[in-house]
Amino acid sequence: EPEVTQTPSHQVTQMGQEVILRCVPISNHLYFYWYRQILGQKVEFLVSFYNNEISEKSEIFDDQFSVERPDGSNFTLKIRSTKLEDSAMYFCASRGLAKNIQYFGAGTRLSVL
Amino acid sequence: DAKTTQPTSMDCAEGRAANLPCNHSTISGNEYVYWYRQIHSQGPQYIIHGLKNNETNEMASLIITEDRKSSTLILPHATLRDTAVYYCIVRVGGGATNKLIFGTGTLLAVQP
Repeated sequence: EPEVTQTPSHQVTQMGQEVILRCVPISNHLYFYWYRQILGQKVEFLVSFYNNEISEKSEIFDDQFSVERPDGSNFTLKIRSTKLEDSAMYFCASRGLAKNIQYFGAGTRLSVL
Repeated sequence: DAKTTQPTSMDCAEGRAANLPCNHSTISGNEYVYWYRQIHSQGPQYIIHGLKNNETNEMASLIITEDRKSSTLILPHATLRDTAVYYCIVRVGGGATNKLIFGTGTLLAVQP
């Protein structure tokens, strides 16, 4: 069964550093999403991406965040200058045209020290 | 998107059916009911969704009341691996966004 793949599974970084979280969505899916979950809290929507542009973003997704689909298969989330409060699990999801179902990856645990 | 209300937690004996309720009294006519679950800190896993008819797949059954104001997710024979947080989410189908808004869900604990 096809799945969404995220790398790395755990990323440790120093405050102020840039990080890039990578996702390989299910092939032939056209809609892509990032969510995050701070430890012990709800899963929160960050951004949706379709047709090479952001279709919606939340208040969390400020100028420090950006997304890109650099090569037609990967979907990345970049945090320019990480803060302690960016520590969380980050989940990528993708959706196809035929079925309105989002499939999630296993997540990347980001630890900002 | 309509708001949903779920119990905070439930217990179920292994091998028995687990029935997880969800209230969505403000649901609109074009909004679907989706169920996802999250095992520990893994990524949310899609279970099932429906509009107004009852649905069944290899994982679960979804029963939606006739007025669509509530629904029940049924795991017919719960196993220890079904211990997870279950989320009931209501949203419009289709469109470029379709973000999922997760609540706190129901923590289902399957007991041996």
